[in-house]
Amino acid sequence: EIVLTQSPGTLSLSPGERATLSCGASQSVSSSHLAWYQHKPGQAPRLLIYGGSSRATGIPDRFSGSGSGTDFTLTISRLEPEDFAVYYCQQYVSSPTFGQGTKVEIK
Amino acid sequence: QVQLQESGPGLVKPSQTLSLTCTVSGGSISSGGYYWNWIRQHPVKGLEWIGYIYHAGSTYYNPSLQSRVTISVDTSKNQFSLKLNSLTAADTAVYYCARGPITTGDTPHFDYWGQGTLVTVSS
Repeated sequence: EIVLTQSPGTLSLSPGERATLSCGASQSVSSSHLAWYQHKPGQAPRLLIYGGSSRATGIPDRFSGSGSGTDFTLTISRLEPEDFAVYYCQQYVSSPTFGQGTKVEIK
Repeated sequence: QVQLQESGPGLVKPSQTLSLTCTVSGGSISSGGYYWNWIRQHPVKGLEWIGYIYHAGSTYYNPSLQSRVTISVDTSKNQFSLKLNSLTAADTAVYYCARGPITTGDTPHFDYWGQGTLVTVSS
């Protein structure tokens, strides 16, 4: 099983700031098999990024994904009020697994 | 816009079998091109993929749950279902159904999710 470790656990930022979220894999993951999701309480998780760097339909361009091998990053260039949520990475090289999440909270 | 909606009991007794159904609207399971998945979120352990079914009936399960899981599909109702047997308190979680586009490889990412349904295993 590929284990994904996200850091930090919580990120405290203000609207307008840049958010950088990390996802580390226990073994190499093809960048084409890495996705990111946003999750707010009581809502369905929302796909942001797939294939490592491709934005899903309707996702604003302030969200970007990058990385390769065992280190991946989700960047939110300027935080909007609606971006405060929990973010998960997921690999789909083999039996899908998720990171434990990074909570982006208002400072 | 594709929508998925989970339904089923919110409370199940230990050792019993959980049965959940996911109803898909805004798109046909029969059209192909997607895997239809179940995923759960434990209060502490986080998100865990359970397995998927393709419209033709082929399945792929998480090896850690394979002995207890059955996923089936009813294309006439545009629904797919989950059965998980021999329940324990560790199976208490929010259960999600989700659509996964078929790309390269055997396992997907998930582009549409249901809202989730809380299942508590308790006597």
